[in-house]
Amino acid sequence: NAGVTQTPKFRILKIGQSMTLQCTQDMNHNYMYWYRQDPGMGLKLIYYSVGAGITDKGEVPNGYNVSRSTTEDFPLRLELAAPSQTSVYFCASMGNTEAFFGQGTRLTVV
Amino acid sequence: QKEVEQNSGPLSVPEGAIASLNCTYSDRGSQSFFWYRQYSGKSPELIMFIYSNGDKEDGRFTAQLNKASQYVSLLIRDSQPSDSATYLCAVGYSSASKIIFGSGTRLSIRP
Repeated sequence: NAGVTQTPKFRILKIGQSMTLQCTQDMNHNYMYWYRQDPGMGLKLIYYSVGAGITDKGEVPNGYNVSRSTTEDFPLRLELAAPSQTSVYFCASMGNTEAFFGQGTRLTVV
Repeated sequence: QKEVEQNSGPLSVPEGAIASLNCTYSDRGSQSFFWYRQYSGKSPELIMFIYSNGDKEDGRFTAQLNKASQYVSLLIRDSQPSDSATYLCAVGYSSASKIIFGSGTRLSIRP
């Protein structure tokens, strides 16, 4: 099925651990995004990419890193996890007339 | 200063009525505007996008853009209980590639 695939769906991390959230899209979209959503809040942009090899910071990039080696993949790396990074993370991709979000990753840092 | 502002609600509208959702933004150079719907515990879904001043209609939904007033709205006609959700306004900055969201408006359609 076409769309945005995020893995994992759930994860519990200990403070100081690292992990990579995976995001893959099969629609050949150039634009991809990572957002976080805290309970009852809107989406905050972490990083975005306008194409392979190009990434840029969003509103809340501290504590995260991204790479975009291919059009399809846009992984998000958390280094030295902190409780403040407990959130739901969404990956999205956008074409000229459409946009799709992944199912989200619920991350808890304890 | 928040870049995209929405009233958090909740907005309660009777079934069959028109629901009106509003959004203001701070950057006059913004060129792309989006409305998403998000059900509780689910991912956001794109309802509409609008790039030009004026109205854009898609079924029961109408997006209205006024760049001079830095204002974008979403009208939902013949509101249904299934329209009860959080509606997120998003604005494209930096040549439309940096998409910033507002905090969302909770809409409740009462039967």
